[in-house]
Parts: sequence; structure tokens; C-alpha cells
Amino acid sequence: DVKVTQSSRYLVKRTGEKVFLECVQDMDHENMFWYRQDPGLGLRLIYFSYDVKMKEKGDIPEGYSVSREKKERFSLILESASTNQTSMYLCASSFFDRGPNTEAFFGQGTRLTVV
Amino acid sequence: AQKITQTQPGMFVQEKEAVTLDCTYDTSDPSYGLFWYKQPSSGEMIFLIYQGSYDQQNATEGRYSLNFQKARKSANLVISASQLGDSAMYFCAMRESGTSYGKLTFGQGTILTVHP
Repeated sequence: DVKVTQSSRYLVKRTGEKVFLECVQDMDHENMFWYRQDPGLGLRLIYFSYDVKMKEKGDIPEGYSVSREKKERFSLILESASTNQTSMYLCASSFFDRGPNTEAFFGQGTRLTVV
Repeated sequence: AQKITQTQPGMFVQEKEAVTLDCTYDTSDPSYGLFWYKQPSSGEMIFLIYQGSYDQQNATEGRYSLNFQKARKSANLVISASQLGDSAMYFCAMRESGTSYGKLTFGQGTILTVHP
């Protein structure tokens, strides 16, 4: 059974804290993605990675960074959390390029609240 | 410009009836794929159905079918014989072949509520 696992379902952090969201996949996928989900806005891409140590900015990278030291693990880092980063965060993974029908698999999501 | 548009924030349907969730898209890439995902209140994203831009027939998966109208750039999801367990958020998404590394672009989502 394919698995994308996010380290926490719920997190509460204080403004200014450094926050790490972890994602692990066991499918040997090259691509990994971090999305943010907000009501009325759908899912928006923050960052993605297509290989170890490689990363690309998505549509809303400001205030975030990422790390991919191992193929199976992709971390999202909030350098100094702010209340406007309160949101649901979803990690996904997929094979590198098997055509436009390449399916993405998602983790269960992390609901982050910054107070 | 919005690449994927879902204009129905919420939809209601009676159990056992059919419902159509709208999705329009915008791309100049001749090769692309369209996906529908279901997100129950628990939060996980469940893949439902896929349609490729070169597919001649509309995709079907059990009670789910995709009404693909390429000239109109629409890819509506049809759920037949709705069940209470179909109540969830539904997202339409697109992958363009020219887009680096297979990222998906999502619409705003539609919340479907199935009434008994």
C-alpha cells in the first residue's frame, strides 16, 4: 500500500517560532511537493523537489524554505512563523515523468495554527 | 490568470440522485491531464478519475464519469447514484506536459453535501 506520511496531524506554534513539517514517502518517487490549502483558494504550491538536494519555488514560496537530504523525505520550514501561515499543509509525491497521467499521492495533511 | 476554475463553492444533492461538479481550465499546452480528487473531512486526498487531453472517450470509474469537452475546456465530474459517503470537498486539477516536474494546479474546490 502506497504511503505518504506527514509527521503531525495538528500543530500549534507561537509567532516567531521556527517550524518544521516533515513528509516521508515509501514509493521511491522522485518528485515531492508541499501545498497549502485555504478555504476558497484550493491548494496552492509552495515548493517542490525533483531530486535529492534539488528544489524549485512554487506559486507562494515567501516565508517558507524546504530541505531534501534523502529521496524519501521532504521538509517544509517556516523560518519565523506568522499568523497568516495558519493553514492546512499537504505533502504529495509522484514519479518524475511518466506522462501527464502521472498520479500524485498525498499525505493526510497537517493543520497548523500559529498563535 | 486562474488555470483551473471551479465556480460552485457548494452543491447539494439528494441521496441516489446524480450530480455534476463543474471544472473549466485554461492551457495552451496540447498535452495535459485532468484529475479529480475527493477530500473527506478527515483531510486525505483521494484520487477519483483521470482524463488525458488526447483521450477520445470520456473517462469512467465506477459511479464517477468525466464529461470532457475539449473545445470548451471543461472537465465536469458526474457522480451517479449519490451516497451519503460522497459528502466531501472535491478538487479538479491539471498537469501540463510542459510544466516542470509534473506539478498539479488545483481549482478552488466544491463542497458536496448529500442529503438522505
